Amino acid sequence: AQKVTQAQTEISVVEKEDVTLDCVYETRDTTYYLFWYKQPPSGELVFLIRRNSFDEQNEISGRYSWNFQKSTSSFNFTITASQVVDSAVYFCALSEAYNSGGSNYKLTFGKGTLLTVNP
Amino acid sequence: DTEVTQTPKHLVMGMTNKKSLKCEQHMGHRAMYWYKQKAKKPPELMFVYSYEKLSINESVPSRFSPECPNSSLLNLHLHALQPEDSALYLCASSQGGLTSEETQYFGPGTRLLVL
Repeated sequence: AQKVTQAQTEISVVEKEDVTLDCVYETRDTTYYLFWYKQPPSGELVFLIRRNSFDEQNEISGRYSWNFQKSTSSFNFTITASQVVDSAVYFCALSEAYNSGGSNYKLTFGKGTLLTVNP
Repeated sequence: DTEVTQTPKHLVMGMTNKKSLKCEQHMGHRAMYWYKQKAKKPPELMFVYSYEKLSINESVPSRFSPECPNSSLLNLHLHALQPEDSALYLCASSQGGLTSEETQYFGPGTRLLVL
């Protein structure tokens, strides 16, 4: 069975601090995809990034960056110079075959990390 | 701005009521999803339609009945719900093949309260 672990349940930082959200996954697949979503208090899950298992280059998008380490099965997310608007629950997710050997896939979510950025 | 819309935003219903949640997407996607999310928990998959056919049903109680009238619309019919069904119901869509690399795009959700 596949699993996604977000060990940090809650993180609280002061504005302008850098913060890293951890994600560790387990899979037997050789090809797989990882995702990060942001869920602000309004409720909508906002897609942030998709990463495939073949591409280990780090990705940067503005203040957001992602570090994918296949050797440690981790896909960590860093917010640089955090802002109050970054306050949200962040979910890491892994594509998982719905049935063993099947071709339909679904997302397995971690439990999420609640990030609070204080002014 | 999200291209997946959901109505209503909030819904309060009694246990004997019948109501429907609606979802619409304008991205040309051919797969649509219903999720249930309780407070402080990740979303739980309920149903998936791919090319208007029900592809995944996660053993959801029959008081929840999905319907996909066409590739851009998804409904969730609710009947005789229980208070424990109170949750945020999220709709999502993706390209359609339910493949490993497909990205799901979510709507804003409907907050349901069952009294």
